[in-house]
Amino acid sequence: ILNVEQSPQSLHVQEGDSTNFTCSFPSSNFYALHWYRWETAKSPEALFVMTLNGDEKKKGRISATLNTKEGYSYLYIKGSQPEDSATYLCASYGGSQGNLIFGKGTKLSVKP
Amino acid sequence: EAQVTQNPRYLITVTGKKLTVTCSQNMNHEYMSWYRQDPGLGLRQIYYSMNVEVTDKGDVPEGYKVSRKEKRNFPLILESPSPNQTSLYFCASSSGGGWSNQPQHFGDGTRLSIL
Repeated sequence: ILNVEQSPQSLHVQEGDSTNFTCSFPSSNFYALHWYRWETAKSPEALFVMTLNGDEKKKGRISATLNTKEGYSYLYIKGSQPEDSATYLCASYGGSQGNLIFGKGTKLSVKP
Repeated sequence: EAQVTQNPRYLITVTGKKLTVTCSQNMNHEYMSWYRQDPGLGLRQIYYSMNVEVTDKGDVPEGYKVSRKEKRNFPLILESPSPNQTSLYFCASSSGGGWSNQPQHFGDGTRLSIL
């Protein structure tokens, strides 16, 4: 089974801090890298799907980069706000079409 | 409104009593998938379907069955539930086939407790 690793497991920051976390995945047979935001008591919501090496995507204060050659993606949050508190998940495809493997997530807590 | 609908949202049942969790999407998506979420283990894929009558095992398929007779529906069947299947279950769908660059849309989740 393909291993998707996320670090750190959890992160506590103050409101206004900028932060980033990492998703690592096997670089061989890469197809796409997904990022999701998951708030407590809700369902995961898509942030980005990235496919090209060097790709950079942005949504408001959140951005992500992708390095498929070395097998990692970074998610950045600029000027964190309490409403950014959530678990951030990344996922990549396993050996079979449709087999999407999720990392265990990074839980972000933003203190006002 | 585009959505993925799961039912029931909550269920407490007993070991061995067959149950079905329904999942329906109204976005005409080809791809549908079931996940379970357990503390410390993250989201793990149970089964997925690339299209009608096409299903395949994910990473934790043991004890589960699925069917995809219509494009919109993808029920998850537990023929003989056991306590180790107590978990939070999510159904998801997306357009495109496997290795898709399209995001997955998740249902609201079903919390199953098997005593």
